Amino acid sequence: DAKTTQPTSMDCAEGRAANLPCNHSTISGNEYVYWYRQIHSQGPQYIIHGLKNNETNEMASLIITEDRKSSTLILPHATLRDTAVYYCIVRVANRNRDDKIIFGKGTRLHILP
Amino acid sequence: EPEVTQTPSHQVTQMGQEVILRCVPISNHLYFYWYRQILGQKVEFLVSFYNNEISEKSEIFDDQFSVERPDGSNFTLKIRSTKLEDSAMYFCASREGQGWGTEAFFGQGTRLTVV
Repeated sequence: DAKTTQPTSMDCAEGRAANLPCNHSTISGNEYVYWYRQIHSQGPQYIIHGLKNNETNEMASLIITEDRKSSTLILPHATLRDTAVYYCIVRVANRNRDDKIIFGKGTRLHILP
Repeated sequence: EPEVTQTPSHQVTQMGQEVILRCVPISNHLYFYWYRQILGQKVEFLVSFYNNEISEKSEIFDDQFSVERPDGSNFTLKIRSTKLEDSAMYFCASREGQGWGTEAFFGQGTRLTVV
C-alpha cells in the first residue's frame, strides 16, 4: 500500500502558487520522494523527485523537511492546465533493484479561474 | 522528447476473446511496467519486467495475463480470455534504470472495453 498521506482535494486560484503537502513519516533512508500527476485519465506524468535536498525543475519545486517525514510540492504559478490528481510516492530506485511505483489516491487539485 | 507509445488508444472486445495491448518503451530504457486503472479508481500495478523476465507481479496479474518483449522494442500485455471486469485503462511505463532515483515515464494508455 501507499506509504504517504495526502489531502483528498485542494483548490488554488489561477496564477497563485499551489502548495501540495505530503506526509511520509515512515520513509526509509534509501527511499526517494516522487511526485507524479494524472490529468483526467491520461497517463501519469512525472513531475519531480528528491532524496533529502530541495529540488527545482521547470515544472515545480520540491521541499523536503529536514527529518524527511514530510514534503511539499510547489507549482509556482498555477494554470488551469495544472488541474489534475497529484500523487506523492516514496520508493527505492536504483540500478540493481526495481521498486515499483505504488499509487495512492493522491490529491485532486482544482485550479480556479 | 522521447515518449512511451501505446496502441491502440481504444480497444473494444467481446468477453472471452484474447486481446494484446502494445507498447513501445523509450529506446534506452531497461525496466518496463504495466498498470491498469478501472474507471474512478486508483492506478494499480500489474507487472514489472527486466532483463527479459518478469521481476514482480501483483495479485491481479493471474494466469490470464502475460507479457512479452518479442523484438527488443515492443512490450506487450496479453489477456487470454477477457472478462467484463478487465475493462479499464491500461498504462505502460518504462524506466532507464541507469543510476539512482531514475523516474518512470508512462504512455497515454489503452482504454479496454469488454462487452
